[in-house]
Amino acid sequence: DIQMTQSPSSLSASVGDRVTISCRASQSISTYLNWYQQKPGRAPKLLIYAASSVQSGVPSRFSGSGSGTDFTLIIRNLQPEDFASYYCQQSYNTPLTFGGGTKVEIK
Amino acid sequence: QVQLVQSGGEVKKPGASVKVSCEASGFTLTNYYLHWVRQAPGQGLEWMGVIDPTAGTTTYTQKFQARGAMTRDTSTSTVYFQLSSLRSEDTAVYFCARATDTSGWAVGFDLWGQGTMVTVSS
Repeated sequence: DIQMTQSPSSLSASVGDRVTISCRASQSISTYLNWYQQKPGRAPKLLIYAASSVQSGVPSRFSGSGSGTDFTLIIRNLQPEDFASYYCQQSYNTPLTFGGGTKVEIK
Repeated sequence: QVQLVQSGGEVKKPGASVKVSCEASGFTLTNYYLHWVRQAPGQGLEWMGVIDPTAGTTTYTQKFQARGAMTRDTSTSTVYFQLSSLRSEDTAVYFCARATDTSGWAVGFDLWGQGTMVTVSS
């Protein structure tokens, strides 16, 4: 199985900050990498697919990059509604696997 | 309205089985693969498997190969996930999720059910 490792597991940031979340795969997954946002008590929401494509309706302050084993989610100009948990997911092969998550908290 | 609506929460005893439903509306179920993901309290996301509603074929992660069963009823646009021999570690919110495109899973899941809480307790 492909292991997905996210870092950091949590971070504190302020409104207006630039936030960077990393995700590393245990083997090359090309660009088969997706990012989700999850708020407490809610289902995850797809933000980024294929490493860098922004899902329809997602604000442009969210961006993704990377290929192979190393990927990054960047949130520019952090907004109050962005405080949530974020998960990466590899969709290169089954079993599909998620990273452990990154909780973005208010500083 | 395009949505996935799941059945309500369940409380089960260890050793019992649970069957969670996921009804699709606003789109044609057979055009998309449907996945099941669970989340234990305070934990991350765990993919359990996928069903092709057209063919009824399934793929499970090894952990659920023996105890899990995904089925579908195309006449009601509903998919089901049954988990047997429940244990306390199966306490979690269970989500169904639609693949974003017809590839099955290559570009993630763009539509999720609201989640079903399954509690396993004696």
